Amino acid sequence: IAGITQAPTSQILAAGRRMTLRCTQDMRHNAMYWYRQDLGLGLRLIHYSNTAGTTGKGEVPDGYSVSRANTDDFPLTLASAVPSQTSVYFCASATGEGNSAEAFFGQGTRLTVV
Amino acid sequence: GQNIDQPTEMTATEGAIVQINCTYQTSGFNGLFWYQQHAGEAPTFLSYNVLDGLEEKGRFSSFLSRSKGYSYLLLKELQMKDSASYLCAVRDSNYQLIWGAGTKLIIKP
Repeated sequence: IAGITQAPTSQILAAGRRMTLRCTQDMRHNAMYWYRQDLGLGLRLIHYSNTAGTTGKGEVPDGYSVSRANTDDFPLTLASAVPSQTSVYFCASATGEGNSAEAFFGQGTRLTVV
Repeated sequence: GQNIDQPTEMTATEGAIVQINCTYQTSGFNGLFWYQQHAGEAPTFLSYNVLDGLEEKGRFSSFLSRSKGYSYLLLKELQMKDSASYLCAVRDSNYQLIWGAGTKLIIKP
């Protein structure tokens, strides 16, 4: 693994089903983020974690949950998918140290809920 | 509320110069970032500004005026590979990144 990896890269999901999007980083970054990106809108923060063992809600957290059991992994779970959750999901990480810390992004997961 | 504004789309010619503007209204300011995102790919970091003035990095430069809540990204000697979306983001007082919707830049030969 080099950098930050998401799985799956794409998925078609039936409404009402539960799904977990996986995110793993090997850069030992403290901070991790989940965003969704929809056409015409900026990246919107779903949940974040400043360090292992802590999580926080972003701008659009409803319908999603996260956990941060260790530094490397930050899975995002949709408990019961709805069509409005159709989007491209990006996981990102940053050192969390200093204002200039840039975020590194995974390759994204394209999710379609039907 | 917090707001980042960028033009939706711009067109420029190969070899030319283009300036992409970004204005912001956020609760606090802890730096402004520019990212590049090619279609179907992840955003990648281009530049960071926290003090007023111009930061130059090769063909790309980024300018910041905190008093005006304004930044621009300047791309020189445009190449076809520069066709992408350019995202402006501000780190607010809670150290969260607030993102603009991005500017799609189309380069024509």
